[in-house]
Amino acid sequence: KAGVTQTPRYLIKTRGQQVTLSCSPISGHRSVSWYQQTPGQGLQFLFEYFSETQRNKGNFPGRFSGRQFSNSRSEMNVSTLELGDSALYLCASSLEIKWGVNTEAFFGQGTRLTVV
Amino acid sequence: KQEVTQIPAALSVPEGENLVLNCSFTDSAIYNLQWFRQDPGKGLTSLLLIQSSQREQTSGRLNASLDKSSGRSTLYIAASQPGDSATYLCAVWNNNDMRFGAGTRLTVKP
Repeated sequence: KAGVTQTPRYLIKTRGQQVTLSCSPISGHRSVSWYQQTPGQGLQFLFEYFSETQRNKGNFPGRFSGRQFSNSRSEMNVSTLELGDSALYLCASSLEIKWGVNTEAFFGQGTRLTVV
Repeated sequence: KQEVTQIPAALSVPEGENLVLNCSFTDSAIYNLQWFRQDPGKGLTSLLLIQSSQREQTSGRLNASLDKSSGRSTLYIAASQPGDSATYLCAVWNNNDMRFGAGTRLTVKP
């Protein structure tokens, strides 16, 4: 079956611009999570969506937002880009996330965002 | 707040050695624990998932154990190969978010 697809793979933006990243989860998966990975901070949780609802949000400023569509595809938006937003952005999909359920997460290849 | 720690940060071994990677977490109320590998510049590849009610999982040369009460997990790699060189990350799920350790960078020398 097809894996998690993230587009675009690479992106270069200028400070102050905004950007939208896309994530298509594995068919049938309803939970999509987003992560930011940088050399200094490692992998940090951004937010998680399930059935179009944001269920949890990490400690990021309001410039970072997301949404999930009825087909479970998700988008992440960053407004007013800063140099420090340069990172690898990863999304993961899973069937469900709760105790007692197989919640194995599968990751996409990521979008490498460079802010200049 | 869940904190996940991985030791060691880096490890270099000759081919053929058996090795153990360690992961510890502070909040034992986890849904599950998952081990991943990441090659440079790439996404994460799932290796093993251990559900909260399980003690260990095995896949090929990999064996992962989980001790929730002590907040520890280990990943055992048998007969290491150069192709095993990568960064290994452990992650725990609770409260609808997954927290990662900083990873162990493994180098297996031919």
